Amino acid sequence: EVILVESGGDLVQPGRSLRLSCAASGFKFEDYSMHWVRQAPGKGLEWVSGISDDNGRVDYVDSVKGRFTISRDNAKNSLYLQMNSLRPEDTALYFCVKDFGNFPHLFDAFDIWGRGTMVTVSS
Amino acid sequence: EIVLTQSPGTLSLSPGERATLSCRASQGVNSNYLAWYQQKPGQAPRLLIYAASTRVTGIPDRFSGGGSGTDFTLTISRLQPEDFAVYYCQQYGRSPRFGQGTKVEIK
Repeated sequence: EVILVESGGDLVQPGRSLRLSCAASGFKFEDYSMHWVRQAPGKGLEWVSGISDDNGRVDYVDSVKGRFTISRDNAKNSLYLQMNSLRPEDTALYFCVKDFGNFPHLFDAFDIWGRGTMVTVSS
Repeated sequence: EIVLTQSPGTLSLSPGERATLSCRASQGVNSNYLAWYQQKPGQAPRLLIYAASTRVTGIPDRFSGGGSGTDFTLTISRLQPEDFAVYYCQQYGRSPRFGQGTKVEIK
């Protein structure tokens, strides 16, 4: 069974940092691009960042560029999101998501989702 | 950046009725890299359709996707009680983007 389990969410003050982790199992992690998607309370889905299978390509939504860094450790089957200079508008449930993986040089649809980890940014 | 606009915001229908959801892109979606997701309260989204019209294995055939270029639709032929949920379209390929969602509620 393919499983993604996020961790690291917390209540933090504006301007502080947080690192999210995602543990993957049940598939060959190193063969797939991975993503972070967030959902603010009562709102829609927002893609945050994606990383290719070999770390060769990363991309971010404009609102987090320069503040968030996505990374992965294929040896540990793990995905990470380092979030710096957090803002109240970053408050959301953060999902770890697996890419469908049909394209070697592009991102595909998102076929497996974790349950999410909650990040709350408030003073 | 492609902006996806979904309509209507809310669709009020009865079980057994047909639901037609629209997703319009601000510019053409390359190679129909368009997906549809279903999200129920308290759950993660679930992929239903990719490449505009290809159903994911295990998704009932009452769900169908269509369209190309800038205009796409998700049709649920006969609504079942478990289909009442929020539906999102998404373009992928380069920087993925989601539409704002359409809520399908029981009338």
